[in-house]
Parts: sequence; structure tokens; C-alpha cells
Amino acid sequence: DIQLTQSPSTLSASVGDRITITCRASQTVSSWLAWYQQKPGKSPKVLIYQASKVESGVPSRFSGSGSGTEFTLTISSLQPDDFATYYCQQYNNYWTFGQGTKVEI
Amino acid sequence: QVQLEESGGGVVQPGESLRLSCAASGFPFNQSSFHWVRQAPGKGLEWVAVISYDGKITKYTDSVKGRFTISRDNSKNTVYLLMNSLKTEDTGVFYCARDGNLYCSGSTCTYFDYWGPGTQVTVSS
Repeated sequence: DIQLTQSPSTLSASVGDRITITCRASQTVSSWLAWYQQKPGKSPKVLIYQASKVESGVPSRFSGSGSGTEFTLTISSLQPDDFATYYCQQYNNYWTFGQGTKVEI
Repeated sequence: QVQLEESGGGVVQPGESLRLSCAASGFPFNQSSFHWVRQAPGKGLEWVAVISYDGKITKYTDSVKGRFTISRDNSKNTVYLLMNSLKTEDTGVFYCARDGNLYCSGSTCTYFDYWGPGTQVTVSS
């Protein structure tokens, strides 16, 4: 099984900050990695797929990069609506998620 | 617009069964594969099962193999998850999600582009 480890688990930030979340895979997943945003009581929403492709309708402040075993999600200027939990997901071999990163004020 | 709506959750005792349904609308149902994903209380996301667009390929996470069965009825635009021999550790919100790759089959399936709101399953004595 491919394990995904996100860091940090919790991130305290302010509106306007640039933040980066890291996702490391236990073995290569090539570029088959997605990022999701989940708000309390809601279902996840995809932000990024294939490591760096931004899903339609997602604001341009969200970007993804990486390949192989190390990936990052960057929010260039944090907005009030961005305070949520973020998950990475690999789909190279079955599907697994990271443990999540909570972005809080 | 694409809509997924889960139903069938509830409170059951260990060892009992439940069947979840996921009704889809707003897109050609028979072109898409679907997944079930669960989230235990206060925990992260866990992929549970996938069914291909034609229903011929199904895959499961190890912890539910032999207990859960995913199926679909293309005439009703509905995906199902039959859960037998439920355990307390199966408690959580179950989400139905559409795969982002049309006509994918198992290993060619990708990320999840649409999700339903989820249905709560509680297994407790």
C-alpha cells in the first residue's frame, strides 16, 4: 500500500498569507496526485489533479507542484474562505489519502 | 448540473447489514465509474470501493473485502454499497464520488471530481 504523509498537520495562518502544504508518498506515484479541500460538515472538493492541473472553477491562488514522491499545495494569498482541511490523494495504485492538514486562523 | 445524493444510512448493531444508495443526475451515468469513500468521526478520508462504468470491474479496500459489495443499476442511475457484517469501526460518513476519467476501469480510474453530501452510518451496540 502507498502511504501519504502530509505536513504540517495543522497550520496557523492569516488572511493574505502564502502557505504551502507538503505531501510525501512512501513510493513513487508519478504525477497521479490530487488535492482536496474539505470544510466542516461538507464533502471534499477537488482543487488540483495530476499534481499541478487546477480543476475548473478553482481560484488561481491555488497551485500544485511535484512528482514522484514529494508534492506541494500552495495558496498564494489566503482568503477567509480557505480556512479548511486539505487532503492529498494518490491514484497511481488504488487510492489513498493523506491524513489531512487543517488550516486555521 | 452534476448531482450525487446518498441515502440509506442509519444506526445498526454490530453484525447487521445496510445498503447505501447513490442517485446520480446531470450527466451520462453509464459513462462514469464511481467510488465510495468513508470518513470516521473526526478522522480523515478512506477509499472503500470502486465500480467501473459498465459494472464489470469492482475493487475494495482490504478491510471490507468479503463484507461489502458495490454494484450499480444503469437503468436507475444509481450506485449501491451493500454492507454486511458491520463492525463498530465501520462507523462514519459514507460519500459517493464520481471518477474524473470517463470509461475508466479500475487501474485507469483517477481522482474524484464530484462528491455527494454523504450519509451517516453508525454501528453501535
